[in-house]
Amino acid sequence: QQQVKQSPQSLIVQKGGISIINCAYENTAFDYFPWYQQFPGKGPALLIAIRPDVSEKKEGRFTISFNKSAKQFSLHIMDSQPGDSATYFCAARPMFSGSARQLTFGSGTQLTVLP
Amino acid sequence: NAGVTQTPKFQVLKTGQSMTLQCAQDMNHNSMYWYRQDPGMGLRLIYYSASEGTTDKGEVPNGYNVSRLNKREFSLRLESAAPSQTSVYFCASSEVETFYGYTFGSGTRLTVV
Repeated sequence: QQQVKQSPQSLIVQKGGISIINCAYENTAFDYFPWYQQFPGKGPALLIAIRPDVSEKKEGRFTISFNKSAKQFSLHIMDSQPGDSATYFCAARPMFSGSARQLTFGSGTQLTVLP
Repeated sequence: NAGVTQTPKFQVLKTGQSMTLQCAQDMNHNSMYWYRQDPGMGLRLIYYSASEGTTDKGEVPNGYNVSRLNKREFSLRLESAAPSQTSVYFCASSEVETFYGYTFGSGTRLTVV
């Protein structure tokens, strides 16, 4: 069963617009929430990440907003560009120590930014 | 360039055939992972290796086996391929406690006919 639910499945945005992708998690024992960006034919690459003790993190045009009480986090892409067109995955990492702390991924959002 | 290297990039198998997907990383990471990516399903963990000499099942291990050959290499074997194993397979590596997440390979696109 999926512990991280991601929406929407696909998103079309005009150039210069704001892209918003949402994720919700069920397990409260997560301590790290990364977002990955994947271009066609490539592996996912880490885009930005946040810890649950922070409500917002911004890196350039990309911002993660985190709502611990609602168990939700979202990715905002400001001034979206055609080069941002890719698949985006949210993920969560369990906080227990020992062993590999494997990530649980959302189902992905295919973003298309129209020129 | 440092990173995760997967071979082959593409493969077509007939049902019942076997094959091994190879993965190697040169970042001195302790942990390695195999994921499969299917449309609408995201990335699902098949097996992982927390450190050299250990392997554990992930979410979807049935039909697969793995070998952590050494710290650098982690292979995934399909003993008797089935059409349901048609997917894109990604290998990844990480330090156990890093905040910087995984480094992924470029994937192997496998088709089982």
